[in-house]
Amino acid sequence: DIQLTQSPSFLSASVGDRVTITCRASQGISSYLAWYQQKPGKAPKLLIYAASTLQSGVPSRFSGSGSGTEFTLTISSLQPEDFATYYCQQLNSYPQTFGQGTKLEIK
Amino acid sequence: QVQLQESGPGLVKPSETLSLTCTVSGGSVSSGSYYWSWIRQPPGKGLEWIGYIYYSGSTNYNPSLKSRVTISVDTSKNQFSLKLSSVTAADTAVYYCARFVLAVAGTDYWGQGTLVTVSS
Repeated sequence: DIQLTQSPSFLSASVGDRVTITCRASQGISSYLAWYQQKPGKAPKLLIYAASTLQSGVPSRFSGSGSGTEFTLTISSLQPEDFATYYCQQLNSYPQTFGQGTKLEIK
Repeated sequence: QVQLQESGPGLVKPSETLSLTCTVSGGSVSSGSYYWSWIRQPPGKGLEWIGYIYYSGSTNYNPSLKSRVTISVDTSKNQFSLKLSSVTAADTAVYYCARFVLAVAGTDYWGQGTLVTVSS
């Protein structure tokens, strides 16, 4: 299985901050990476697919980049509703796997 | 707007079979563009992909669960289902059904999730 390692696992930031979350794959996955946002008690929400394509309806302050083994999710200016847990997911090979998550908290 | 809704028992005894159904509305499980997935999340932990099914009945399962998992589809009812046999406490989780879009390689619609507890 392909392992995905997210860093950091916890992130404390303030409204208006720019934050970046990294996802590293144990082997190359081309651009077959998606990012999700999950709030407590809710299902994950697709933010970005194909490493850098913004899902319809997702604010443009979210962006993704990378290919191969290293990927990033950037939020350009944190809004109160962005405090949540973020997961990356690889879809290059089966089984599909997820990173362990990054919990973004209010400083 | 596509909606998915999980249903099934919230409590299952150890060694028994967990059975869940996902009802799809606002879209068709017979659409050739999508795969219908099950994903689970133990309390306080991360996400685990269980597997998915295509409308034709073709499946793909996580090898870690493959010997115990069956996913099926009922196009007449616009539903798909999960069966997980010989459950233990380690199978306690929120189970999500979801729609996977192969063309974009992403899971774009999710059910609200249902907590299944394995306990005697």
